[in-house]
Amino acid sequence: GAVVSQHPSRVICKSGTSVKIECRSLDFQATTMFWYRQFPKQSLMLMATSNEGSKATYEQGVEKDKFLINHASLTLSTLTVTSAHPEDSSFYICSARNRIGTSGGAGAKNIQYFGAGTRLSVL
Amino acid sequence: GENVEQHPSTLSVQEGDSAVIKCTYSDSASNYFPWYKQELGKRPQLIIDIRSNVGEKKDQRIAVTLNKTAKHFSLHITETQPEDSAVYFCAASTTNSGYALNFGKGTSLLVTP
Repeated sequence: GAVVSQHPSRVICKSGTSVKIECRSLDFQATTMFWYRQFPKQSLMLMATSNEGSKATYEQGVEKDKFLINHASLTLSTLTVTSAHPEDSSFYICSARNRIGTSGGAGAKNIQYFGAGTRLSVL
Repeated sequence: GENVEQHPSTLSVQEGDSAVIKCTYSDSASNYFPWYKQELGKRPQLIIDIRSNVGEKKDQRIAVTLNKTAKHFSLHITETQPEDSAVYFCAASTTNSGYALNFGKGTSLLVTP
């Protein structure tokens, strides 16, 4: 259990286009999802916290109009990179927090489970 | 905001030896400390976590210790195996932030046969 699906796994696009990335929790409800960005051989940097039914909370330095986040249901959050430019090329990875679950072990409450990530390359 | 420091950045051990990775955090309100293992090109996988109301937790060859007073926590891997080779990330979070994770910079562990 506790599977998070992220699509697409890889995107190559031209500069100026918008790219949408989906993050789905397949077998649990996630009132909160998180979006991270990871540069090669570096750590995961939190970009924003996505709350179901409300506006996302963005970390300092992350442009809200650039990275649009929608969390319309308990199992789906989307990140749209608008008017992408080469400097937006990166590995984007989501995680979902299990709202309900048993304590300890897989599927445990409040533990974050990560998607497989999306490699975005902007030409 | 929270600042998590992780050391060392790289660690090489021989198979069977122990490996220790240390992290410090700055926000005294942090109360949840997970450790993730990330293999090349794969998603981070939770390997163990600890909450602020306990000082130590063990799961087979893996253990985590937490010193709230000093604001540091450590990952201990005993009897290391080549398949333990990966990048390990520590993280800290608070209930108030909805458990948003602040990650350390990662430790690249290499276990040589």
